[in-house]
Amino acid sequence: KNQVEQSPQSLIILEGKNCTLQCNYTVSPFSNLRWYKQDTGRGPVSLTIMTFSENTKSNGRYTATLDADTKQSSLHITASQLSDSASYICVVSARNAGNMLTFGGGTRLMVKP
Amino acid sequence: DTGVSQDPRHKITKRGQNVTFRCDPISEHNRLYWYRQTLGQGPEFLTYFQNEAQLEKSRLLSDRFSAERPKGSFSTLEIQRTEQGDSAMYLCASSLGLVGTQYFGPGTRLLVL
Repeated sequence: KNQVEQSPQSLIILEGKNCTLQCNYTVSPFSNLRWYKQDTGRGPVSLTIMTFSENTKSNGRYTATLDADTKQSSLHITASQLSDSASYICVVSARNAGNMLTFGGGTRLMVKP
Repeated sequence: DTGVSQDPRHKITKRGQNVTFRCDPISEHNRLYWYRQTLGQGPEFLTYFQNEAQLEKSRLLSDRFSAERPKGSFSTLEIQRTEQGDSAMYLCASSLGLVGTQYFGPGTRLLVL
């Protein structure tokens, strides 16, 4: 069964600090991995997408890494801002599944001043 | 704003009533997806369309749920005889082609009393 697990479930950090969110997956055959940001009461918004051959992808202060051998990904947030407070969802797509996505449960990040 | 809109944004109904939600995808996107998301969880797949054809339905989509995309543009999701367990956020997403990024709408939050 395809699964995506994220850790931690929740995280509180001070404004300006860095943090790293983890994602482990068992989706096979792997197609791509996305990180989405979801503000409270809103739909998810794509931050990064990585295919099998990509190890790292950046989007501003967000940097995602992918290790396809260990089936792990991380999302690193640099110099956090209050607006980074949101849920971050790791989403994996399987190659033979018609772009069907397997979602992780998300990490709820709170950035405090 | 991702370009995907959903209506209504919030819906409160009594148990046993029928409700219908609408999703307007990005105009050139041929794929449209419906998801359900409960508090603190990642979205769960319900069903998807390619143009007007409904290609897959999740086991989560009971007989009380029906979705349509009559002209391959907007889609509706109807829930008949609502139950308290139907309370959730219903998300719509659209994509272009098989591997295009899915862009999510803001969601419709349903509360069944």
